[in-house]
Amino acid sequence: DAKTTQPPSMDCAEGRAANLPCNHSTISGNEYVYWYRQIHSQGPQYIIHGLKNNETNEMASLIITEDRKSSTLILPHATLRDTAVYYCIVRVNYGGSQGNLIFGKGTKLSVKP
Amino acid sequence: NAGVMQNPRHLVRRRGQEARLRCSPMKGHSHVYWYRQLPEEGLKFMVYLQKENIIDESGMPKERFSAEFPKEGPSILRIQQVVRGDSAAYFCASSPGFGTGNTIYFGEGSWLTVV
Repeated sequence: DAKTTQPPSMDCAEGRAANLPCNHSTISGNEYVYWYRQIHSQGPQYIIHGLKNNETNEMASLIITEDRKSSTLILPHATLRDTAVYYCIVRVNYGGSQGNLIFGKGTKLSVKP
Repeated sequence: NAGVMQNPRHLVRRRGQEARLRCSPMKGHSHVYWYRQLPEEGLKFMVYLQKENIIDESGMPKERFSAEFPKEGPSILRIQQVVRGDSAAYFCASSPGFGTGNTIYFGEGSWLTVV
């Protein structure tokens, strides 16, 4: 089973920041927080990952709380093309069976004009 | 740098036939994963392979399904004697298997329709 909890759906106005929360209260010390998204009928797309420090790339920012029990994915200026299901997943980042991605239900983000 | 390549993208099979789905990982990746997504459902892990070795097949149905990742060539997911319930999108993913990144990247999927 997935080790994360996410709201089932969220709306965001186009051009505004989208803040997607994720709870992972049972995260282990060697587990990373990964975010993926799946646009309808496409393969999951990697967005960002982090261990304990905040991370930023060209797609998004990831804010992880100090106790690592929750995180927030931030899309700074959401566009209609960001409408997708967003998945927050915790995993170890080395090989072996613990390195799988176990998908939960995710958050369906709808960006509205 | 080409991404994870899957083929065929769409496959139609009659009940009882065999389906073979192929996956070429990203360059430099030696680990391959297969996931299945039934219509209107989430992604379910099936199997995780290294070259010539199955790491974890805990998500594979016990019958009719098999997967391999040979020393040379793509990974193959094989479904024998397909039934209508096998109709789904099958996603392959790959990763380097080591390193601080070891990020898993997905292909665009193969859509199997059983008629």
